Amino acid sequence: TQLLEQSPQFLSIQEGENLTVYCNSSSVFSSLQWYRQEPGEGPVLLVTVVTGGEVKKLKRLTFQFGDARKDSSLHITAAQPGDTGLYLCAGPSHGSSNTGKLIFGQGTTLQVKP
Amino acid sequence: NAGVTQTPKFRILKIGQSMTLQCAQDMNHNYMYWYRQDPGMGLKLIYYSVGAGITDKGEVPNGYNVSRSTTEDFPLRLELAAPSQTSVYFCASRHRGRVSEKLFFGSGTQLSVL
Repeated sequence: TQLLEQSPQFLSIQEGENLTVYCNSSSVFSSLQWYRQEPGEGPVLLVTVVTGGEVKKLKRLTFQFGDARKDSSLHITAAQPGDTGLYLCAGPSHGSSNTGKLIFGQGTTLQVKP
Repeated sequence: NAGVTQTPKFRILKIGQSMTLQCAQDMNHNYMYWYRQDPGMGLKLIYYSVGAGITDKGEVPNGYNVSRSTTEDFPLRLELAAPSQTSVYFCASRHRGRVSEKLFFGSGTQLSVL
């Protein structure tokens, strides 16, 4: 069974601090995605990583795909209250035959205090 | 551009009642999905559709049914509601670009079965 495990589950930090969220699996993924979800809304795609070792930056957010394509990380520099939300990693379900089915990690809830 | 629209936003059901969660998208996407989200559990796929007239089960289909008579609409039916179906339900559609793909989510339906 494919699993994506995220850590930590909860993170509460002060504005200006740095943080890293991890997404790990024992399975190889062809790609991984990161979503952010705000209360009362659906997830919104932040980034897709497809190549082992790939690093992508989105302003203060840095995403990395592990060399073996089994893990990914999200690093936020100088966190701001607007970064507060639920962060989800997701990857294609194996054997999905291009149906677009995704499996999701359990999420990391981030709270950034002013 | 409305994207993915879900109704209702909130609903309370009694055990044994039935209801239909509505989902509509105006992006002409062939692929659509229903996920449920429980605290600390990420998103689990209930049903999906690869086009009008074609539906298939996801990871947690028991107690639910779907239909896809048009490209735009993908309703989710709950028959004989049970407390275990208390959850937040998200509908999504899939955009397949030349380089990457992404899911667009609705804003969710929060359902309580009492």
